[in-house]
Formats: sequence, structure tokens, C-alpha cells
Amino acid sequence: GEDVEQSLFLSVREGDSSVINCTYTDSSSTYLYWYKQEPGAGLQLLTYIFSNMDMKQDQRLTVLLNKKDKHLSLRIADTQTGDSAIYFCAEKTGYIPTFGRGTSLIVHP
Amino acid sequence: GAVVSQHPSWVICKSGTSVKIECRSLDFQATTMFWYRQFPKQSLMLMATSNEGSKATYEQGVEKDKFLINHASLTLSTLTVTSAHPEDSSFYICSARDPGEAFFGQGTRLTVV
Repeated sequence: GEDVEQSLFLSVREGDSSVINCTYTDSSSTYLYWYKQEPGAGLQLLTYIFSNMDMKQDQRLTVLLNKKDKHLSLRIADTQTGDSAIYFCAEKTGYIPTFGRGTSLIVHP
Repeated sequence: GAVVSQHPSWVICKSGTSVKIECRSLDFQATTMFWYRQFPKQSLMLMATSNEGSKATYEQGVEKDKFLINHASLTLSTLTVTSAHPEDSSFYICSARDPGEAFFGQGTRLTVV
């Protein structure tokens, strides 16, 4: 079945860039997503990329997709304390996304 | 993006009672809604898919008699946890799909004591 893997924790200093990585196994994925979950809250769609793209930039967020290696990354420039949250990678082939376990991003001064 | 409202945000109930969680799509009609369960430091586990006007499709291992799902209108789906037990304590999140994408509610923290 489908599998989405991501590291569980990332700690960065405020102002630095954060890079959260994700790998997936389903080569027929059509969309890949990044969601943000703040404590006690639901998921907020941050950005997504279509599988025929290799990069998407949206303000401080840059998504890179290496389809050959099935590797997705999310780069957050100038990371702020408000970026502290859990970030979920998800891939979708049909209409139900498969989620990774989430990466807890900790931003310290 | 589209707004999905989930209510309540948190609920504490006694063991053996039932709890209903509502999921509403506020500015779009959702023919399909999804219910997820999230354990601490775990990913989201899809429990069931509900289509308006028909029975929900439950994922393997999810007890349909325990987690009752109703999707009576294009903007409302409900999840009822029947005869709740402490092991049902979890974070439940709904998702509603508009023609393009799925949007998530803010989640409901259920604690069964």
C-alpha cells in the first residue's frame, strides 16, 4: 500500500531556514501536499504541488519535488516562532490523501 | 479556501455515554466528507468516507456500530461515538471535499473519563 515517511522532529533557530523532508512510495501520486497543524487545531492546507511540477514557491514557502526519487521537501525561509507546528506531508492518487506521521517543527530564539 | 467547521472543539464525557460531533461545510456543498482519528504524535487515520444520502464506507478495523456516521445534507455530516470508553479518547478531524480539494475542520478533542 501507499506509504509516506517523514522525520518526526526538526529544531531550528528563529530567522534560519527550515527544510522538512518527505518520501512516498506511490509513483502514481497526482498531488502532493503540505499541511500545518497547530496545537489542538485541525489541519491547514499550506501548499500543494502537482506531480508534473518540480518546484513551487509561495512567499516564504518553497516546495521541491523529485519525482524520480519520490522525495518532497518544504522549505520555510526566515522561520518564525509562529511557524512552530506539526507539518504533514500527504500524497493523493485518487481523492483520499495519505498522510505521513508529521514533523514537529520547533523554532527557538 | 473553503471553510469547514467542526463542533464541539472539545468534549469530556463519562464512560458509557454517547457523543455527537458535527462537521459543516460553511461556504460550499460537500458531497463527500471524511472522518479521521489522530492519536498523539501519530498521523491521521481515515475512519470512514461518507457520501450525502448514502451509507458511510468504513475503513478496515473501524466498528461501524460504534462510530455512527450520518451525512443527511450536503453541508452536514455527524459522527456519533456510541457507548464511549476511555480508549476512544482521541482527536477526531473531519474533512469535506469540494469539487477540487478536501478541507479540514479544526478537530474535536474527545476525552472519555
